Amino acid sequence: QKEVEQDPGPLSVPEGAIVSLNCTYSNSAFQYFMWYRQYSRKGPELLMYTYSSGNKEDGRFTAQVDKSSKYISLFIRDSQPSDSATYLCAMCTGGGNKLTFGTGTQLKVEL
Amino acid sequence: EAGVTQFPSHSVIEKGQTVTLRCDPISGHDNLYWYRRVMGKEIKFLLHFVKESKQDESGMPNNRFLAERTGGTYSTLKVQPAELEDSGVYFCASSQDLTDTQYFGPGTRLTVL
Repeated sequence: QKEVEQDPGPLSVPEGAIVSLNCTYSNSAFQYFMWYRQYSRKGPELLMYTYSSGNKEDGRFTAQVDKSSKYISLFIRDSQPSDSATYLCAMCTGGGNKLTFGTGTQLKVEL
Repeated sequence: EAGVTQFPSHSVIEKGQTVTLRCDPISGHDNLYWYRRVMGKEIKFLLHFVKESKQDESGMPNNRFLAERTGGTYSTLKVQPAELEDSGVYFCASSQDLTDTQYFGPGTRLTVL
């Protein structure tokens, strides 16, 4: 069983939709949770970084962590075609530790 | 400020050959990480340098892989001899402090024929 599970998609939504991306994990030692966005042929780019359970908002993006359920989410409001990319969840047990990634969800926002 | 750079962007070699990948971290970043994504799989950790020292090399697949970071600046990852299963995208990331964000490079796409 993988430590981090993420639906690979692809997920296709119309412009302006609210997108929900999710990951589950099995290792209760994970304390830091990240969402990266990766465009084709580019490296992952950090979108959100959270430590505690609860919500963290940054513009159109909201990251949610539920440690009791071992479940994290990324919500994208008012999705734009430029949001079309692969979204990767990542987590680690402590600062500076190796990141454990999900497989990534491919998102396409259509006009 | 320049980001993490990697060279080459793409390498095609034959099984049994040697390949060396290079990573230049963001200037001043003591922490340097190597990751790999094999097709269809998730990005996986290979190793972590703090300056020139290997902090964690638990993800290195076998002794055909050798990573170095002489002088604590750029790093190289050598695969010798390359096997078909080594094909994938090799990412480098760096961070200033241990608790800081890891910034990723664009990756080197390695194809072993």
